[in-house]
Amino acid sequence: GAVVSQHPSRVICKSGTSVKIECRSLDFQATTMFWYRQFPKKSLMLMATSNEGSKATYEQGVEKDKFLINHASLTLSTLTVTSAHPEDSSFYICSATPAQRGGFDEQFFGPGTRLTVL
Amino acid sequence: AQSVSQHNHHVILSEAASLELGCNYSYGGTVNLFWYVQYPGQHLQLLLKYFSGDPLVKGIKGFEAEFIKSKFSFNLRKPSVQWSDTAEYFCAVNAPNDYKLSFGAGTTVTVRA
Repeated sequence: GAVVSQHPSRVICKSGTSVKIECRSLDFQATTMFWYRQFPKKSLMLMATSNEGSKATYEQGVEKDKFLINHASLTLSTLTVTSAHPEDSSFYICSATPAQRGGFDEQFFGPGTRLTVL
Repeated sequence: AQSVSQHNHHVILSEAASLELGCNYSYGGTVNLFWYVQYPGQHLQLLLKYFSGDPLVKGIKGFEAEFIKSKFSFNLRKPSVQWSDTAEYFCAVNAPNDYKLSFGAGTTVTVRA
């Protein structure tokens, strides 16, 4: 149980275009999902916290107009990188916390999406 | 806010050697503590977690970690590593009433056959 999927697993796009990444909790409902960015040989950096039915909370330094997050249902959150530039190339990872747990104990991570902007 | 430091950037071991990875955190209150592992090409998986109770926590794949409150530490150990333990290991913390995880920089463990 507690499986999180991401789609696509990798994407290559041209500079200036927008890319949407989906994060789904497959076998549980997630009131909260998180989006992270992982640079090569570096740790995960939290970008934003996504709550179902409300606006995402962005970490300091993350441009909310550039990284649009929508959490339309208890099983789906999307991250749209708008007007992508080469510096946005990275590994984006989502995680989810099961709603029924009622606590803050564990996040389940998706496999990540490799974004390359040419 | 919490911060997490992992002392070892890259550890290289031979099979059957013992492993210990250091993790220290800075936070004045109660914390939840986690160790995650990321095998090459795979997603993050939870190795073990500590919320309260026995400070010696046993996880999957023979790993354990000890919470020492006075040292703000949560070091990960495995008595005898295998080649398949080659991976990136991340220590993470959050406050009990906060979903947000703070990750350490990670330690790359390479086990040589």
